[in-house]
Amino acid sequence: SQTIHQWPATLVQPVGSPLSLECTVEGTSNPNLYWYRQAAGRGLQLLFYSVGIGQISSEVPQNLSASRPQDRQFILSSKKLLLSDSGFYLCAWSSGPPNEKLLFGSGTQLSVL
Amino acid sequence: AQSVTQPDIHITVSEGASLELRCNYSYGATPYLFWYVQSPGQGLQLLLKYFSGDTLVQGIKGFEAEFKRSQSSFNLRKPSVHWSDAAEYFCAVGLNNDMRFGAGTRLTVKP
Repeated sequence: SQTIHQWPATLVQPVGSPLSLECTVEGTSNPNLYWYRQAAGRGLQLLFYSVGIGQISSEVPQNLSASRPQDRQFILSSKKLLLSDSGFYLCAWSSGPPNEKLLFGSGTQLSVL
Repeated sequence: AQSVTQPDIHITVSEGASLELRCNYSYGATPYLFWYVQSPGQGLQLLLKYFSGDTLVQGIKGFEAEFKRSQSSFNLRKPSVHWSDAAEYFCAVGLNNDMRFGAGTRLTVKP
């Protein structure tokens, strides 16, 4: 069966420090991969999506970047974190178009202090 | 503009009472429709989805939702709420290779 792993679960980082969040999917090949951010009390904002290795689309300009070095690996990064980067980050995948179904990881709570 | 609206930010119901969470969308065509549930500090779990056919959709955990085209709505219902249903609920719509989420409704269950 397909599973999605996301880590770490929680992270506290100082302003200006780098960031690397990792997401991997098991049990499927060539998934579409997504990074969402959920600010406190708000809905989900799509940050990046990828339909294949090395293919990254950015939805909003920001301090973050994403990479897909392997088929089932999706990494969210930042060179220098801002206070506004705090939030709950969710990785998700779909086997087809995202409008059909998304399956989510357990999330990473990032606090930038 | 395309949008997904969940009018209720927070709802409180007593355990055993019925529940209805509202969702309205604004799209040019009928999108795919979803309800997700999120427990604190967790990812989102799919409760149910509507693609076509019968407008009353059954999901997991005793939830159901009804698609009403004339009202552009996809409200989530449960006849008898359990304390474990306390969570955040998100309506989502999928159209044209895109998935958009509502802002969520937080459900509190009173004993």
